[in-house]
Amino acid sequence: EPEVTQTPSHQVTQMGQEVILRCVPISNHLYFYWYRQILGQKVEFLVSFYNNEISEKSEIFDDQFSVERPDGSNFTLKIRSTKLEDSAMYFCASTTRGISGNTIYFGEGSWLTVV
Amino acid sequence: QQQVKQSPQSLIVQKGGISIINCAYENTAFDYFPWYQQFPGKGPALLIAIRPDVSEKKEGRFTISFNKSAKQFSLHIMDSQPGDSATYFCAAGGSGSARQLTFGSGTQLTVLP
Repeated sequence: EPEVTQTPSHQVTQMGQEVILRCVPISNHLYFYWYRQILGQKVEFLVSFYNNEISEKSEIFDDQFSVERPDGSNFTLKIRSTKLEDSAMYFCASTTRGISGNTIYFGEGSWLTVV
Repeated sequence: QQQVKQSPQSLIVQKGGISIINCAYENTAFDYFPWYQQFPGKGPALLIAIRPDVSEKKEGRFTISFNKSAKQFSLHIMDSQPGDSATYFCAAGGSGSARQLTFGSGTQLTVLP
């Protein structure tokens, strides 16, 4: 079964440092997402990306965050200057506009620890 | 109005029993209601999903019941097994919102052997 792959699986970074989380969505998918989950809490939407631009973003996705699709396969989330409260599991997800409609597939996540 | 409320927060069921998790939503623009299963350290995995044009959908031991007028939907796990022990999230999405999902707060299910 096709899957969304994410790297790194775990990253520890110092507060104030820049972090880039990488994702390879499922190849024929058109919508891409980043979600985050703080330990023990619910999954929260960050941003959606379609046709090489941001479609929607949440209040969490402030100026410190950016997304990019630098080539035809990778989808990245950059946090410019990390804060302690950015510590969370970050999930990439993707979907297609096919018959399955809104079936959104999630990667296994990148666990970010800011110290 | 974007919230999805989920209950209970945790649930303990004996092996072979029925697990029931409930969710309620406010936004009538939602037209897609999936349930995700998450094991520790893993990403959410789609379990089953329903659209509001049907009141029930069954896949194996998993059933979604949907009540459009009450804006509620629930997951029933029949013959619960210890391997079903995980966190379950309901979610809701709409075609008018770039297919983003709003998640419930999660239910930690423990199935005792």
